Amino acid sequence: EAGVAQSPRYKIIEKRQSVAFWCNPISGHATLYWYQQILGQGPKLLIQFQNNGVVDDSQLPKDRFSAERLKGVDSTLKIQPAKLEDSAVYLCASSLFWYRGFRRTEAFFGQGTRLTVV
Amino acid sequence: KQEVTQIPAALSVPEGENLVLNCSFTDSAIYNLQWFRQDPGKGLTSLLLIQSSQREQTSGRLNASLDKSSGRSTLYIAASQPGDSATYLCAVTQGGSEKLVFGKGMKLTVNP
Repeated sequence: EAGVAQSPRYKIIEKRQSVAFWCNPISGHATLYWYQQILGQGPKLLIQFQNNGVVDDSQLPKDRFSAERLKGVDSTLKIQPAKLEDSAVYLCASSLFWYRGFRRTEAFFGQGTRLTVV
Repeated sequence: KQEVTQIPAALSVPEGENLVLNCSFTDSAIYNLQWFRQDPGKGLTSLLLIQSSQREQTSGRLNASLDKSSGRSTLYIAASQPGDSATYLCAVTQGGSEKLVFGKGMKLTVNP
């Protein structure tokens, strides 16, 4: 079974530039999460989708961050314009699926995208 | 608001010790609790998942327990090895919203 795919793996941009990250969740998973992880800290939830609807985006800086989930499958996260403090690893995860008739909410993560803003 | 705490933030031990990692959470209305491992520069690897109705789960040298009523979980690592060196994170899936809330993690170093 293929895991959660993210691209790119690394990105270096100058402040005020824009950047986009892509995530392809595990097939059949209804919930998709984007997390921001600053060095030395735990992941912070930016946005949670269920199918193509937003469940929680309370910690998404909406003046510069945006996210969409196309047809309830792939998702993109965009930052425009980037600030120095956006330097972090951006993690995508998927969850919520049916396994042998049971609803499962185990989360699986991609490798992440390391963003450096200079 | 759910808060997940992991103490201590870092631990350094000699090889061969049996370890207990602690995780506490403030809201007991959870679907499950997961323990993850994160190697430097990498994503998160799921180690164990405990459903809210379960008390413990085991995988190899790892055993995780859950006491939902007291808001605590422990991850037990038997006979630690240098390859166990990593950051360990626990996360709870909130009932209703299915929001996944993380602790800040515990950095483990196992010295040969």
